[in-house]
Amino acid sequence: AQSVAQPEDQVNVAEGNPLTVKCTYSVSGNPYLFWYVQYPNRGLQFLLKYITGDNLVKGSYGFEAEFNKSQTSFHLKKPSALVSDSALYFCAVRDSPTGGGNKLTFGTGTQLKVEL
Amino acid sequence: NAGVMQNPRHLVRRRGQEARLRCSPMKGHSHVYWYRQLPEEGLKFMVYLQKENIIDESGMPKERFSAEFPKEGPSILRIQQVVRGDSAAYFCASSPGLADNEQFFGPGTRLTVL
Repeated sequence: AQSVAQPEDQVNVAEGNPLTVKCTYSVSGNPYLFWYVQYPNRGLQFLLKYITGDNLVKGSYGFEAEFNKSQTSFHLKKPSALVSDSALYFCAVRDSPTGGGNKLTFGTGTQLKVEL
Repeated sequence: NAGVMQNPRHLVRRRGQEARLRCSPMKGHSHVYWYRQLPEEGLKFMVYLQKENIIDESGMPKERFSAEFPKEGPSILRIQQVVRGDSAAYFCASSPGLADNEQFFGPGTRLTVL
């Protein structure tokens, strides 16, 4: 079974400072990893994904994430946070498919709060 | 290019009534997924459908819940005889179906059971 852990319910950071939102995963095969962001009363917006290739993945709005196979982690990062980045962030995983299921397994989410 | 459409956005039902949630995938997407988000929790997978087929319903409660994705028209998630515990946000997502594609999410339907 696949699973995702986001160990921090909330992350607070000052605007202009770098931010990191942590994610670790567990799958039986090769992981497909995703980050989504959710603003209040809205659906999820895709930020970035890791399928294969370079361990550092760049995504929307200046976000990036680093895949670390040995630590089974996929932490989300941004060099300089903005107040507008304040939102709920979800890490998700799916096992490399052998046919059939495409379901995503989500972490419980991390609330990011960026303050002036 | 319109995104994933869901309606209604808000739905209020009394216990014992039926709830019908609709999802129109993005143009060109033939794969639909339904997820449920309970208050203060992450999203939980419910069901994965392709046109006229249920591919994976491992996350669906065994009773009262059903889903379909007909040849024509939107995907429907149906909840019969709703109970208060069904109150949640229900999100639909779609994808072209290729293994490495991300899923695109709709705005969700927020179901409140009185």
